[in-house]
Amino acid sequence: QKEVEQNSGPLSVPEGAIASLNCTYSDRGSQSFFWYRQYSGKSPELIMFIYSNGDKEDGRFTAQLNKASQYVSLLIRDSQPSDSATYLCAVNRSGGSYIPTFGRGTSLIVHP
Amino acid sequence: GAGVSQSPSNKVTEKGKDVELRCDPISGHTALYWYRQSLGQGLEFLIYFQGNSAPDKSGLPSDRFSAERTGGSVSTLTIQRTQQEDSAVYLCASSLADGYTFGSGTRLTVV
Repeated sequence: QKEVEQNSGPLSVPEGAIASLNCTYSDRGSQSFFWYRQYSGKSPELIMFIYSNGDKEDGRFTAQLNKASQYVSLLIRDSQPSDSATYLCAVNRSGGSYIPTFGRGTSLIVHP
Repeated sequence: GAGVSQSPSNKVTEKGKDVELRCDPISGHTALYWYRQSLGQGLEFLIYFQGNSAPDKSGLPSDRFSAERTGGSVSTLTIQRTQQEDSAVYLCASSLADGYTFGSGTRLTVV
């Protein structure tokens, strides 16, 4: 079982819709969770981080964490074509490690 | 600088040659990471530096790979006797607290 799993997609949504991206992780003791966006040919850029169970909102983005079920999700409201990218989930290992393990990413396509 | 700087941006080398990749982290960031990303693949952890502590080298794929960080700032990743499977984008990231800031990467091609 991979440590951090994401559906590779592509996930295709129409402009203006809500895009829902999901990530599951295997290390129950994980403490820190991150979402990165990576445009083709570019390096990953941080969108959000979340540490506590529940929702965290930042503009059009909402991160949701459920530690009991070991999943973290990212919702993008009012999706725009410029949101088309690969979204990477990253999870810090437990035990005080600060080394994030990345999922392989979900490709999102927002079509006009 | 304002961001994480990596050089060179592209490197083409012949199989068997040694290469050095450089990373200049954000000033004041104590943590520095090296990852590599092969085409269509996720990010593979290579090595982690935190302040003056011994680096975590658990991700280095072979003893051909080594890295150092001088003065708690600039880091160099060295790959000796390069092989074609070493071809990838090598990404450096630095961090102080929340989140990790990536450089633009070095695209290494071994021919």
